[in-house]
Amino acid sequence: EAQVTQNPRYLITVTGKKLTVTCSQNMNHEYMSWYRQDPGLGLRQIYYSMNVEVTDKGDVPEGYKVSRKEKRNFPLILESPSPNQTSLYFCASSPHDRGLVGYTFGSGTRLTVV
Amino acid sequence: GESVGLHLPTLSVQEGDNSIINCAYSNSASDYFIWYKQESGKGPQFIIDIRSNMDKRQGQRVTVLLNKTVKHLSLQIAATQPGDSAVYFCAENINSGNTPLVFGKGTRLSVIA
Repeated sequence: EAQVTQNPRYLITVTGKKLTVTCSQNMNHEYMSWYRQDPGLGLRQIYYSMNVEVTDKGDVPEGYKVSRKEKRNFPLILESPSPNQTSLYFCASSPHDRGLVGYTFGSGTRLTVV
Repeated sequence: GESVGLHLPTLSVQEGDNSIINCAYSNSASDYFIWYKQESGKGPQFIIDIRSNMDKRQGQRVTVLLNKTVKHLSLQIAATQPGDSAVYFCAENINSGNTPLVFGKGTRLSVIA
């Protein structure tokens, strides 16, 4: 089944403890992206990648890192999480870097930083 | 399920009636638009898209209308069903530019059985 897989679905962590949220897609898509979703603010883009070894900042990149060493994987790294990074995170992929055919989203990761 | 948005505009519709969800987009240069549906506990799901050279596109039970003059997009759902209850987002994009999709804040549709 064609899909975007995120792990974990739920995560509670403490301030300052490094964590990684994984994202993998099996559709051979070039474009991958991370979003956070917060009440009243909608979906905001954190980072995106147009292809292997190519990453760019989105609207809210502060406090996050990403890497794209392989086409299928696009992990989101929080080196030192803070409570304002408590949010619902979505990974998405697309076969085109401009979303011409729309994104496929993962099921989300609910992160709580205490 | 996940709480998508506690402060979203909400549209309540009787089962069987038609729904109209509106979206004002921000960039007059945008030339590609998508509607997404997000059910509780799930990621957004593609519904329908439209390019700026069209003003109407129909899918199964859904129609998207585009008015470029006033930068307005709408999603019409015919014969709304309980399974249509979700948050709906519009998204815009500039095909010829190097910009990602920009999402609206969403509208919650509640279907009354």
